[in-house]
Amino acid sequence: QKEVEQDPGPLSVPEGAIVSLNCTYSNSAFQYFMWYRQYSRKGPELLMYTYSSGNKEDGRFTAQVDKSSKYISLFIRDSQPSDSATYLCATLIQGAQKLVFGQGTRLTINP
Amino acid sequence: DTGVSQNPRHKITKRGQNVTFRCDPISEHNRLYWYRQTLGQGPEFLTYFQNEAQLEKSRLLSDRFSAERPKGSFSTLEIQRTEQGDSAMYLCASSTPGTGRFTDTQYFGPGTRLTVL
Repeated sequence: QKEVEQDPGPLSVPEGAIVSLNCTYSNSAFQYFMWYRQYSRKGPELLMYTYSSGNKEDGRFTAQVDKSSKYISLFIRDSQPSDSATYLCATLIQGAQKLVFGQGTRLTINP
Repeated sequence: DTGVSQNPRHKITKRGQNVTFRCDPISEHNRLYWYRQTLGQGPEFLTYFQNEAQLEKSRLLSDRFSAERPKGSFSTLEIQRTEQGDSAMYLCASSTPGTGRFTDTQYFGPGTRLTVL
């Protein structure tokens, strides 16, 4: 079993829709939870990170972490075609340096 | 451009050949990481340097792989006797230590795509 599980999709939604992306993880020692966006043939780019449980909002993006159920979510409001990319969740144990990534979900926003 | 740079961007080689990739981190970052990403998968950690010291290696880093960061600036990743299973995107990231409970942010380069024929 992988430490971080993520549905690879692909996920295709119309422009303006609310997108929900999710991951589950197995190691309760994970304390940091990140979402990276990766465009085709590019390196991952950090979107948001959250420490422990709770919500964090940045513009159209909201990250949620529920440590009791080991569930990580990213919501994108008013989705745009430029949001089309692969979204990767990642986790980290406090004090460690090794990011553990999910498989990535490929998202397409249709105009 | 002050981001992480990697060279070459693409490398095609024949099975059994040796290849070397270079990563130049963001200039003030003392931590440097290598990850490998295969098609349809997330990146997998390979190794991590703080300054010139290699502090952690994944068991994915077989004895055919070696990474160096001789002066604590750029890093090289060498793969000897390449195999078809080595075909992947090799990503480099760099960071500077976070403070308190804030972890450092790893900034990724564009990657080197390796194809082993």
